[in-house]
Amino acid sequence: EVQLVQSGAEVKKPGESLKISCTGSGYKFSTYWIGWVRQMPGKGLEWMGLIYAGDSDTIYSPSFRGQVSISVDTSINTAFLQLSGLAISDTAIYYCARPLCRDGCPFDYWGQGTLVTVSS
Amino acid sequence: SFVVTQPPSVSVAPGETARITCRGDTIERRGAHWYQQKPGQAPVLVMYYDSDRPSGIPERFSGHNSGNTATLTISRVEAGDEADYHCQLWDISGYHRVFGGGTKLTVL
Repeated sequence: EVQLVQSGAEVKKPGESLKISCTGSGYKFSTYWIGWVRQMPGKGLEWMGLIYAGDSDTIYSPSFRGQVSISVDTSINTAFLQLSGLAISDTAIYYCARPLCRDGCPFDYWGQGTLVTVSS
Repeated sequence: SFVVTQPPSVSVAPGETARITCRGDTIERRGAHWYQQKPGQAPVLVMYYDSDRPSGIPERFSGHNSGNTATLTISRVEAGDEADYHCQLWDISGYHRVFGGGTKLTVL
């Protein structure tokens, strides 16, 4: 069974940094892409970027390029989303999800989401 | 940039048909995907490439894409279908994924 399991909820102060993890199981992790999606409170989904686990090839949404960093460690089947210089507006649920391919494919499996709260 | 528009809400009575739309320029060529998201849960893929249904999704769910509008249709709506529905498209020019704003389906 394919599963994506994310790290737990975080509470951070403005200006701090954060690294969220997403561990895949039940499939050959290194042969798939992993994407990250943000959902701000009461809002829709926003695609942030993708990484190919096999070679760390990374694509960022123009809206998030330079604001976040996506990485992967295939030795532990885990992808990471790093957020730096956190602002109150970064408060959101962050999901990892597995797309069937790089360009335009749907996300067939999702992590459970990681709630990030940024508050002074 | 490529803009995708969904109605904020759709309401239907149980047993009726719900139609949720996703509008954007030349959307027909972009292959629409749809996700169902219930409160407190992660999204679930319910339709992909306009009209393909993943395993486990009831036949009551169907999809169509023509012109500037992709439509997710839910027939014989049940109380358990109440959720937010998000469309996802591919921005060919920008080479990235775009989500619509989501539509809240209320079963009256």
